[in-house]
Order: sequence, then structure tokens, then C-alpha cells
Amino acid sequence: GAVVSQHPSWVICKSGTSVKIECRSLDFQATTMFWYRQFPKQSLMLMATSNEGSKATYEQGVEKDKFLINHASLTLSTLTVTSAHPEDSSFYICSARLAGSYNEQFFGPGTRLTVL
Amino acid sequence: GNSVTQMEGPVTLSEEAFLTINCTYTATGYPSLFWYVQYPGEGLQLLLKATKADDKGSNKGFEATYRKETTSFHLEKGSVQVSDSAVYFCALSDASGGSYIPTFGRGTSLIVHP
Repeated sequence: GAVVSQHPSWVICKSGTSVKIECRSLDFQATTMFWYRQFPKQSLMLMATSNEGSKATYEQGVEKDKFLINHASLTLSTLTVTSAHPEDSSFYICSARLAGSYNEQFFGPGTRLTVL
Repeated sequence: GNSVTQMEGPVTLSEEAFLTINCTYTATGYPSLFWYVQYPGEGLQLLLKATKADDKGSNKGFEATYRKETTSFHLEKGSVQVSDSAVYFCALSDASGGSYIPTFGRGTSLIVHP
């Protein structure tokens, strides 16, 4: 149980295009989902916290107009990288927290974004 | 604020060697502590956790004990395998600000040779 999926697992796009990444909790409801960015050989950087039915809370330094987050249901959150540029190339990982649980997250497998 | 400090890697071992990856933390409250493992090209998987002082988390031969007096949560395994090669992240989560947003260490790469 407690499986989180991400789609796509990898994407290559041209500079200036927008890319949407989906994060789904497959067998549980997640009131809160998190979006992370990971640079090569580095730790996870929290980008934003996404709560179902409300606006996402962005970490300092993360542009909310560039990284659009939507959490429309208890099992789906999406991250849209708008007008992507090569510096946005990274590994994006989502995680989901079980409704009613505060101390554990379940991670998706990650999405590798490459912007040409 | 909260912080997690892990030993720098890479840690390189031969198969069947003993593993220790050190992790210490700073937290304002009473955190839960976690170890996650990340295999190449994949997301993070929870390896083990401990929610209160003196708890021992264990899974797949890995162990870590929550030591409040030394604010540590060191990861150990008695005999590593090549398949254990991965990056290991120590993390904590507490009620700071009511959000339970986790704090991760920088990760420690483990390389096990046959």
C-alpha cells in the first residue's frame, strides 16, 4: 500500500514550452502533497506544499508563477513548469502524506526534466 | 530551525563489511526521525523510522536508534551487499509551525564492491 506514482517519468522539451507533471496517490487519500527538486548528487529542495482544495505554499525563492501547482483532488497534484528554460532541467520528486498522518510521506519515483 | 547533518560520502565498502552512516540533528521540538534510500534514477523509499527517544527502527538488516541525549540517528548494517549501493538520506519531521514539513540531510552515497 501507500504507492505514489508520477507521470511522465522523463520528459525532454524545447525552451519556452510548458511541461506538466502529475503526482498521484494510488491507494490512499493525500490531503497534502509536496514537490521537491533535486540537483545531481544533492539533497531534495522543497519547492512547495500542496493542500487539496487550496493554494500551494511556496518556499522562499521559488517562483509561483513559473511553477504552477494544482491539487484538485485527494489523489492528484500537478506541477506545471511554465516557459521552461535549460536551468529548469532537474529531477522533480513529489511526495504525499496520508490523510490524518503527520509524520510520514510516501515518495513518487521522480520525473527527469530536460529542457533543450 | 531544524537541521540534519550527515557524514559526507561516498562511503566505499567491500561486500559483507559493516556499515555506519552518521546522522545528527537539531530540532526545536520532539521530532520523528527517518532514513530514506534512493537508488539511481528513482525516488526515495522509506527505509526505517523512529518516533520517540530510544526507539529502534529496523528494516532489511538496517538499524538506527533514536538517541535524544546525543541527538543522533546513525544508520548501521552488519553485512552490506552490492545491492545496497544507493544514496541514503536522514530526515526529521516535527510540528514546527504546525506543518510537519520534513527536513532532509544532504545524503550519503554508499558504494559496495563485490
